[in-house]
Amino acid sequence: QVQLVESGGGVVQPGRSLRLSCAASGFTFSRFAMHWVRQAPGKGLEWVAIVWSDGSHKYYADSVKGRFTISRDSSKNTLYLQMNSLRAEDTAVYYCARDPPPSDDYGDYSLDYWGQGTLVTVSS
Amino acid sequence: QSVLTQPPSVSGAPGQRVTISCTGSGSNIGAGHDVHWYQQLPRTAPKLLIYGNSNRPSGVPDRFSGSKSGTSASLAITGLQAEDEADYYCQSYDSSLSGVLFGGGTKLTVL
Repeated sequence: QVQLVESGGGVVQPGRSLRLSCAASGFTFSRFAMHWVRQAPGKGLEWVAIVWSDGSHKYYADSVKGRFTISRDSSKNTLYLQMNSLRAEDTAVYYCARDPPPSDDYGDYSLDYWGQGTLVTVSS
Repeated sequence: QSVLTQPPSVSGAPGQRVTISCTGSGSNIGAGHDVHWYQQLPRTAPKLLIYGNSNRPSGVPDRFSGSKSGTSASLAITGLQAEDEADYYCQSYDSSLSGVLFGGGTKLTVL
């Protein structure tokens, strides 16, 4: 069965860095684009970033552009989010989610499976 | 502030029908990009409920349906059940932002 397991969250001081990982299993990782989505405490969902299935294209929300980097390692079936220059407003649960290819006919940019999330708290 | 606008809350009695609207613009829903809906039960990850405007993934009851027209979309839930109490989010793609958008979310209360 499809599994996405995030790790790497924790408490970090403002201005420091953190790297999140998302281990994928139960599907052919290299076929799927992957996203990071976050949810601040008591707030709604906010899209963070996408990396295409082959890693050739990456796009970011304006709120994280220039500070966060999404990447993937298909040899390890793992998605990453490198977060630099962290701010208090980056405090959130971070989810990874997969995005089926067009051939799977799930529409454009649908997120069909999500991980359970990892909490990042930015505080001094 | 989300570019996709949803009502903050809706409510209904068991067995009733409720709808949740999602209003976008010409660069997202109105540009022809698909709308997807997610259900988030308390303290859990979001779950895909409707994809491609009106399609249900396997396992989602047919009490849930989606539609899209112009720059807006709607999620309808018929035969409300207590277990439907959750937050619901619409999502699309925005060409001008080159990114994915979520609505602000709607909290459904089953009275």
